[in-house]
Amino acid sequence: AQSVTQLGSHVSVSEGALVLLRCNYSSSVPPYLFWYVQYPNQGLQLLLKYTTGATLVKGINGFEAEFKKSETSFHLTKPSAHMSDAAEYFCAVRKSGGYQKVTFGTGTKLQVIP
Amino acid sequence: GAVVSQHPSRVICKSGTSVKIECRSLDFQATTMFWYRQFPKKSLMLMATSNEGSKATYEQGVEKDKFLINHASLTLSTLTVTSAHPEDSSFYICSARGQGENTEAFFGQGTRLTVV
Repeated sequence: AQSVTQLGSHVSVSEGALVLLRCNYSSSVPPYLFWYVQYPNQGLQLLLKYTTGATLVKGINGFEAEFKKSETSFHLTKPSAHMSDAAEYFCAVRKSGGYQKVTFGTGTKLQVIP
Repeated sequence: GAVVSQHPSRVICKSGTSVKIECRSLDFQATTMFWYRQFPKKSLMLMATSNEGSKATYEQGVEKDKFLINHASLTLSTLTVTSAHPEDSSFYICSARGQGENTEAFFGQGTRLTVV
């Protein structure tokens, strides 16, 4: 079985401040990990993903995440928040080795305060 | 990334009627499509997985006779909500992936269904 826990359903940051969205996972096999962003009444857009190799993954819009196996974490960060970053963010996991279904976290709503 | 188009983006229907939602892959062949339901302030719940030309595989607790899924071609899958009730009101999202072990899925824009 696999699962994802996102700590904090709501996170507020000031414009220009560091963004940190937390994600911890559990998986019985090496996982593939993802972060998606969802704007109101829209589908999901892939921000970044980790499969194998380098544990620090850079994605779109200045976001990055680091896979830490020892901590079973895949936290999402951005050095400086923009107003346009306000959205819902979902961490997701699936098993490696052939395509498996994706399990999503419950989401974190990011608010950016001007 | 690849483009997945979902239509309609919003639909309002009366109780007891059926409504069809389309999911199209515009620039790739989608061997597998997924249908999700998203409740307010909740995560995405996988409803079913469909492979082109095969019957859909439904997740536990999802009524296959109520949520009919057809994946008749490599670019189109449809979800039909039959005999809709107000509790079926939700945001439905599809995703599609092509061939290849590490091919990722791309998401449609979602459909807001309101049953009145």
